[in-house]
Amino acid sequence: KQEVTQIPAALSVPEGENLVLNCSFTDSAIYNLQWFRQDPGKGLTSLLLIQSSQREQTSGRLNASLDKSSGRSTLYIAASQPGDSATYLCAALMDSSYKLIFGSGTRLLVRP
Amino acid sequence: GAGVSQSPSNKVTEKGKDVELRCDPISGHTALYWYRQSLGQGLEFLIYFQGNSAPDKSGLPSDRFSAERTGGSVSTLTIQRTQQEDSAVYLCASKGIGLSGELFFGEGSRLTVL
Repeated sequence: KQEVTQIPAALSVPEGENLVLNCSFTDSAIYNLQWFRQDPGKGLTSLLLIQSSQREQTSGRLNASLDKSSGRSTLYIAASQPGDSATYLCAALMDSSYKLIFGSGTRLLVRP
Repeated sequence: GAGVSQSPSNKVTEKGKDVELRCDPISGHTALYWYRQSLGQGLEFLIYFQGNSAPDKSGLPSDRFSAERTGGSVSTLTIQRTQQEDSAVYLCASKGIGLSGELFFGEGSRLTVL
């Protein structure tokens, strides 16, 4: 059974700092991995999607990497801003099914 | 529409009443998911629709929950005889053809059962 874990559960950093959010999965047979952002009381916004054949994806200040063999993905946020404060979730799509298995998220606070 | 649309955005109901939650996916998206997010919890898979195939209902927590998707587009999640533990945000998401596409979520329907 696939399990997706995100560490840390919460993170507080000063504005301007570069930071890394971690996502690990137990079953390497994933089709792709997607990172989302969720603001309080809102739905999920897709940030980056990495296919299993890719090593990384970039969008603006965000960079996501994927290492299937070690069961890890990281989301790198450069030059963090208070507007980046939100909960970040990763989700793995299994090779054998269509279900996205979600991690429990990392709650990020960027202090001005 | 441009994105996934859900209604109502908020629903307060009394225990024992039935509720219907609606999801209008992105036009042309063949896959539709329902997830549930309870306060402080992760996302719990409920049900998945793909085109005209039989839906995967394996995540529905009890037989009080049902969902349908008419014409391969709009979906309705129905909860009968609501209980307080049904209080949560119900999120709908859609995806285009193929496994490789991005999943796009609606804003969710927040259900409160008194």
